[in-house]
Amino acid sequence: AQSVTQLDSQVPVFEEAPVELRCNYSSSVSVYLFWYVQYPNQGLQLLLKYLSGSTLVKGINGFEAEFNKSQTSFHLRKPSVHISDTAEYFCAVSDNIDTDKLIFGTGTRLQVFP
Amino acid sequence: DVKVTQSSRYLVKRTGEKVFLECVQDMDHENMFWYRQDPGLGLRLIYFSYDVKMKEKGDIPEGYSVSREKKERFSLILESASTNQTSMYLCASSPINQPQHFGDGTRLSIL
Repeated sequence: AQSVTQLDSQVPVFEEAPVELRCNYSSSVSVYLFWYVQYPNQGLQLLLKYLSGSTLVKGINGFEAEFNKSQTSFHLRKPSVHISDTAEYFCAVSDNIDTDKLIFGTGTRLQVFP
Repeated sequence: DVKVTQSSRYLVKRTGEKVFLECVQDMDHENMFWYRQDPGLGLRLIYFSYDVKMKEKGDIPEGYSVSREKKERFSLILESASTNQTSMYLCASSPINQPQHFGDGTRLSIL
């Protein structure tokens, strides 16, 4: 079965610093990959998605992610973070058999300090 | 803009009660999902539905049931609430093979 690993449960950074949030998934068969963001007391909002095509995916709020099939990774990056980026970030991968189902990682809490 | 509405943001119930969590989407999406979110565990799928009156078990269906009588509404039912069902519950919907859209969640406390 497909699984997703977000190794970093918390990532503290200073404002305007670059950040990378790591995500690895278990299977190298064709998958769809997603990053979602959750602000306090809200549901999840889609940041970006990889379905096919270019391996570098650009999303909202200046975030981007790179699909690396050989390393089964889909790391999220932003060159300069803002205080408002403080939130929980979830990586998700589609199920191998039923691609409408998503398997979520355990989340990474990004804390941006002034 | 897609809107997924969960009927309650906060809910407090007693053990043994039958609890209904309601979710409505306004974009005619085929798929609907119920998750629970717990610290350190991420989101875990409870049940999902591909169409009206259709449902499939997710990863943690024990203690829950669902109902989808109309395409826009997907209800989660806790048959006899227990304290270990205290959690954040998130509803989502999606078209076929498209990303899921989430509601704001219901924080349920079982006392």
